[in-house]
Amino acid sequence: NAGVTQTPKFQVLKTGQSMTLQCAQDMNHNSMYWYRQDPGMGLRLIYYSASEGTTDKGEVPNGYNVSRLNKREFSLRLESAAPSQTSVYFCASSELGQTNSPLHFGNGTRLTVT
Amino acid sequence: SQQGEEDPQALSIQEGENATMNCSYKTSINNLQWYRQNSGRGLVHLILIRSNEREKHSGRLRVTLDTSKKSSSLLITASRAADTASYFCATGGGTALIFGKGTTLSVSS
Repeated sequence: NAGVTQTPKFQVLKTGQSMTLQCAQDMNHNSMYWYRQDPGMGLRLIYYSASEGTTDKGEVPNGYNVSRLNKREFSLRLESAAPSQTSVYFCASSELGQTNSPLHFGNGTRLTVT
Repeated sequence: SQQGEEDPQALSIQEGENATMNCSYKTSINNLQWYRQNSGRGLVHLILIRSNEREKHSGRLRVTLDTSKKSSSLLITASRAADTASYFCATGGGTALIFGKGTTLSVSS
C-alpha cells in the first residue's frame, strides 16, 4: 500500500520553465489537494478537487493549474515558473471533504526556481 | 489567512517528560485536527476532535477542545526521542482545512 505518491521528489527549474507535479493515491479517496509549505508560513492550499471531475481554487492558486485526471490522479502544473514558487509541494487525499476526515499526505516535491 | 495558531513555536524537553502544545483559532469550526511532520516528510494525521467533543485520547496523545475559548491543546505524555517533529493544528469550518504554522518539538535523550 503506497498511500499517496508524488513525483518527482526534487526539481530545479529556471524562471519561465514549465513543469507538472504528479500525484496518485491508491486509497479510493474522493478528495485530493495540493498544498505548498514555506518556512514560517505553514501549509497553504493551492487547489483541491472534492470529487472526480471537479476542481476549486484554494488560498494561493495564482500561477498554478490542476487536472483531476481520474479518481486516483491529481496533477499540478506550473506554466511559467517564478522564484516565488520555490517551495515544498504536498499532495494529499481524504475519503470525505477535508474538513470532515483526515488528510493523507505524500512526502512532497521540493521545487527550486532559479 | 491563518486560522489556527500554535503556541509555543518551539519546545525542547527531555525524554520521559510531557509536552503540551496549544492551538488557538478565530472562527467557528466543525472539527480540529492535529498532524505531525517529521523532517523531510509529509504530514501524518494524529487526531480529529469534533466541535461537540471535549477530549480525545490516542495512545500517549491527549487532545482537548474548548470551543468557548476557541482553543485546543495536544499533550504528549512520556515523550520519546522519536516524538521529535513539528506538530500542526488544522481547523475545519468550511470547505478547506486551514493549518497553523506549527510547533517544533525537540526531545533529547
